[in-house]
Amino acid sequence: DTAVSQTPKYLVTQMGNDKSIKCEQNLGHDTMYWYKQDSKKFLKIMFSYNNKELIINETVPNRFSPKSPDKAHLNLHINSLELGDSAVYFCASAMADRVEYYGYTFGSGTRLTVV
Amino acid sequence: GDSVTQMEGPVTLSEEAFLTINCTYTATGYPSLFWYVQYPGEGLQLLLKATKADDKGSNKGFEATYRKETTSFHLEKGSVQVSDSAVYFCALIDSWGKLQFGAGTQVVVTP
Repeated sequence: DTAVSQTPKYLVTQMGNDKSIKCEQNLGHDTMYWYKQDSKKFLKIMFSYNNKELIINETVPNRFSPKSPDKAHLNLHINSLELGDSAVYFCASAMADRVEYYGYTFGSGTRLTVV
Repeated sequence: GDSVTQMEGPVTLSEEAFLTINCTYTATGYPSLFWYVQYPGEGLQLLLKATKADDKGSNKGFEATYRKETTSFHLEKGSVQVSDSAVYFCALIDSWGKLQFGAGTQVVVTP
C-alpha cells in the first residue's frame, strides 16, 4: 500500500507542451503539497492545499496550476513547458495540526524532462 | 524568515567510518527539526526528528540532538555502511507549518 503515490514517475516532453502530474494519498491527511527539486537537489515548496483550499502559493509562474478535487488528491498542471521546468517534482501530505510531530510524508517523485 | 543551513557535500567516507553532518537553523521560537534521507532515485524518507530543545532523535543508528544554545541539529552515525550512501536533508517546520529544507548533503560511502 503506497501512502503517497505520484504518476507518472518519468515524463519526457517537448517545450511548449502542456502536462499534468497526479498525486494521491491514502493516509487520511488533510493537507497536501508540491515541491520542486532542482538539479542541485535543492527543494522548494510550490503549493499547499488544506481540505481542497489553497493555503500556500509560493512565487511560481502562473503556468503552474494545482488542482485538488478532494483532500486525497492534488494534481499539478503545467502549461507551455519550458526547459527550466525540468526537475523532480515531489508530492507530500500531512495532518496540519500534527506537522510538528510527524513532518510530511513524501511520494517517490516525478522526473520531468523538457526537451 | 526561518531557514536551515547544512554543510556542503559531497562527504566521502570509508565503510565503518564516523559520520557527522552539521546543521544549524535560524528561526523565531523553537521549531521542530527533522532529518530526511533521499536514496538514489527515490523520494524523501523521514529519518529522525526532535520537537523540543534537548530532545534526541534516533533511527537506523543515526542520532541528532536539538541544541537550543547553538541552534544546531547535527546528524551523526558511528559506523557507516555503503547502504548509507544518500543525500541527507536537515529541515524545520516554520511558523506557517511549512517544511523548510537545507540544501542537502550528499554522502558517499566506499567499501
